[in-house]
Amino acid sequence: GAVVSQHPSWVICKSGTSVKIECRSLDFQATTMFWYRQFPKQSLMLMATSNEGSKATYEQGVEKDKFLINHASLTLSTLTVTSAHPEDSSFYICSATTVRFSNEQFFGPGTRLTVL
Amino acid sequence: EDKVVQSPLSLVVHEGDTVTLNCSYEVTNFRSLLWYKQEKKAPTFLFMLTSSGIEKKSGRLSSILDKKELFSILNITATRTGDSAIYLCAVRHQGAQKLVFGQGTRLTINP
Repeated sequence: GAVVSQHPSWVICKSGTSVKIECRSLDFQATTMFWYRQFPKQSLMLMATSNEGSKATYEQGVEKDKFLINHASLTLSTLTVTSAHPEDSSFYICSATTVRFSNEQFFGPGTRLTVL
Repeated sequence: EDKVVQSPLSLVVHEGDTVTLNCSYEVTNFRSLLWYKQEKKAPTFLFMLTSSGIEKKSGRLSSILDKKELFSILNITATRTGDSAIYLCAVRHQGAQKLVFGQGTRLTINP
């Protein structure tokens, strides 16, 4: 149990386009989902916390208009990188949590975004 | 500001060696400290520590927390090449779900 998937696993796009990344909890209902970004040889940096049916809470320094988060259901959250630029190239990882699992975070496999 | 610092940042040893990875933290309202192993993709959970002095063990891996000195160590004995990975330490606050991660330790085990 407690499996989280992400789609796509990798994406290459042109500068200026928007990219949507999906995060799904496959076998449990996630009350909260988190989005992280990881640059090469660096640690995970939390971007935002997303609760189903409410607006995401963004960490300081993360542009909410650039990184749109939608948590439409208890099993799906999406991150849209709008007007992507090469500096947005990174590894994006989501995690999901629920009270049933004592709020332990279960991580998705990540999405590697490359913006040309 | 919350801070989680891991050391060393990088470590290269030979198969069979024992390694100790360190994690120190400064956070308000500490709740728990977690260790993760990250290979090519997302982190996988290793341990969660909430109480001082109680060792958690899983096979060749063990970890302990010192809440007075604000640090934790992760030990790996009889290392294997498959232990090569980035080991991440993260801290969670009371009443919050989000995790604050350290920079990670990149461990390389050579045959």
